Amino acid sequence: AQSVAQPEDQVNVAEGNPLTVKCTYSVSGNPYLFWYVQYPNRGLQFLLKYITGDNLVKGSYGFEAEFNKSQTSFHLKKPSALVSDSALYFCAVRDRGNNRLAFGKGNQVVVIP
Amino acid sequence: GAVVSQHPSRVICKSGTSVKIECRSLDFQATTMFWYRQFPKQSLMLMATSNEGSKATYEQGVEKDKFLINHASLTLSTLTVTSAHPEDSSFYICSARIGQGFTGELFFGEGSRLTVL
Repeated sequence: AQSVAQPEDQVNVAEGNPLTVKCTYSVSGNPYLFWYVQYPNRGLQFLLKYITGDNLVKGSYGFEAEFNKSQTSFHLKKPSALVSDSALYFCAVRDRGNNRLAFGKGNQVVVIP
Repeated sequence: GAVVSQHPSRVICKSGTSVKIECRSLDFQATTMFWYRQFPKQSLMLMATSNEGSKATYEQGVEKDKFLINHASLTLSTLTVTSAHPEDSSFYICSARIGQGFTGELFFGEGSRLTVL
């Protein structure tokens, strides 16, 4: 079964600095990879996905992520963080062989003014 | 993006009562919807996959008789927590995907906060 690891519980970054949220995955075949963001007491919002093609994927709100097959990683990045980016970020992976989407435990991002 | 509406957003009930949560896809048809449960500061736990016109597929450890799922139409799935107890208090989130393929992203409802007294 597929799985996702988000090693850090919380990421603190100063406003204006680059933001990175780490994600590694495990699947039996080629993965479909996703990033979602969740604000307090809200559902998840889709940020971006990797299906195939260019390893660098650009998404909503200035976020991007890079698929690295050799390192089985899909780290989320933003060049300049905003206070409004403070939220819970989830990485998710779907194995191409099944219908299930496995989520990581989530990373709380805190952007400090 | 597509819109998934979930209702109610918050519900408080007495122990032993049943609570129904609705999940609607507002601008697309969803043959499959997913129900998740989220504990504080934890990830989403998939409870079941709701299939239009057929029985839901439950994940291991999720009680079918406790969490009744009905997917009566292509735009509506309901989760009923039967005989709720305080340990059922949680944040329940539904999601739906456009189309049958695996490449589509999920669209999530806003979640329903259930508090059982």
